[in-house]
Amino acid sequence: KAGVTQTPRYLIKTRGQQVTLSCSPISGHRSVSWYQQTPGQGLQFLFEYFSETQRNKGNFPGRFSGRQFSNSRSEMNVSTLELGDSALYLCASRSDYGVEAFFGQGTRLTVV
Amino acid sequence: QQPVQSPQAVILREGEDAVINCSSSKALYSVHWYRQKHGEAPVFLMILLKGGEQKGHEKISASFNEKKQQSSLYLTASQLSYSGTYFCGTEMRGGGSNYKLTFGKGTLLTVNP
Repeated sequence: KAGVTQTPRYLIKTRGQQVTLSCSPISGHRSVSWYQQTPGQGLQFLFEYFSETQRNKGNFPGRFSGRQFSNSRSEMNVSTLELGDSALYLCASRSDYGVEAFFGQGTRLTVV
Repeated sequence: QQPVQSPQAVILREGEDAVINCSSSKALYSVHWYRQKHGEAPVFLMILLKGGEQKGHEKISASFNEKKQQSSLYLTASQLSYSGTYFCGTEMRGGGSNYKLTFGKGTLLTVNP
């Protein structure tokens, strides 16, 4: 079956702009989590969605937001981009009863 | 609460063993282990549940000490393919933390010939 798909794979944005990233989970998976990965900081949890509801949120400013659609696809939005937002953004999906998180290839965001 | 991993990096020769530790200050429900190779997505290795037994995956195994809230990943007779960054992810229950998988900063493992 198809894995987790993230689009786009690469993005270059200018400070102050906003960006939207997309994640399509594995078919049947209703849980989607988002992570920010930067060198030395590991995977920082952003938020988790299940059936269109945000169940958990990490310690990121309000500029980071997300949503999930009825087909479980999820989007993450970052407004007023800062240089420090440059990172690899990963999403992961999990089945209702599974424990394994399946990660997408990520979106590499560069803010200049 | 981000778990603490140690060591930050380790270099091995093929065939040597390594142990990676993951500690939490909070009571854990489960500990997950993932490996990420350069330029690739993290891949699930195994999970240890509260009250569960030690898990194994070929020559990679792990344990979970509930009293210490610490998990250890054991890599024996390492192979070149084991190189990558290992992340532990921890999950709690209750207090609004259900289903929130929090990862450590990772341990970079390099296996040389």
